[in-house]
Amino acid sequence: DQQVKQNSPSLSVQEGRISILNCDYTNSMFDYFLWYKKYPAEGPTFLISISSIKDKNEDGRFTVFLNKSAKHLSLHIVPSQPGDSAVYFCAASNTGISSGSARQLTFGSGTQLTVLP
Amino acid sequence: DAGVTQSPTHLIKTRGQHVTLRCSPISGHKSVSWYQQVLGQGPQFIFQYYEKEERGRGNFPDRFSARQFPNYSSELNVNALLLGDSALYLCASSLQVSSYNEQFFGPGTRLTVL
Repeated sequence: DQQVKQNSPSLSVQEGRISILNCDYTNSMFDYFLWYKKYPAEGPTFLISISSIKDKNEDGRFTVFLNKSAKHLSLHIVPSQPGDSAVYFCAASNTGISSGSARQLTFGSGTQLTVLP
Repeated sequence: DAGVTQSPTHLIKTRGQHVTLRCSPISGHKSVSWYQQVLGQGPQFIFQYYEKEERGRGNFPDRFSARQFPNYSSELNVNALLLGDSALYLCASSLQVSSYNEQFFGPGTRLTVL
């Protein structure tokens, strides 16, 4: 049962345009959401995060929007650059069941973003 | 500052064998997590360790085990390897176990089981 879903395996965008990557989740206990970027032969790199008490977080060209009622989040990249071409993973986490327990990350399956020059 | 390091980079084993993967966290990070990434899927949580204690376990069989050492480095052990264990194994470190700090990932170990 996939608790975090990225329904678009791939996305192509022209350089300078906006890239919008989408993510849906089913577990209402998730209270923190993150986006990671992954290049081939490298581990995922943290991009941006958002707490469930917010609906928007912005960091430079990257903005994450959270719609709790729809259990949906999206990552906007403006303007898109060729160096942004990578696999983007959406991840969600919730506090462990007891104090001091792990804050586990549950990942989506990823979206391959290709920014065309 | 060095990032998370993992060894070996690549590994080929046969069914039934045992494998040990190693991870060194970022200096100062006390929590280490292990993830399995099968081709075409996102990373799946296996274990998290903090201060040498297991603090979380994902839905993996007992063939998977791990430990953390006093210097906060960690080993992931997999016994009786199956073809389905072929994957990229990622290690991630973070400052604490239950904070909102993001996890920093290593480049991974590519395990192929023949």
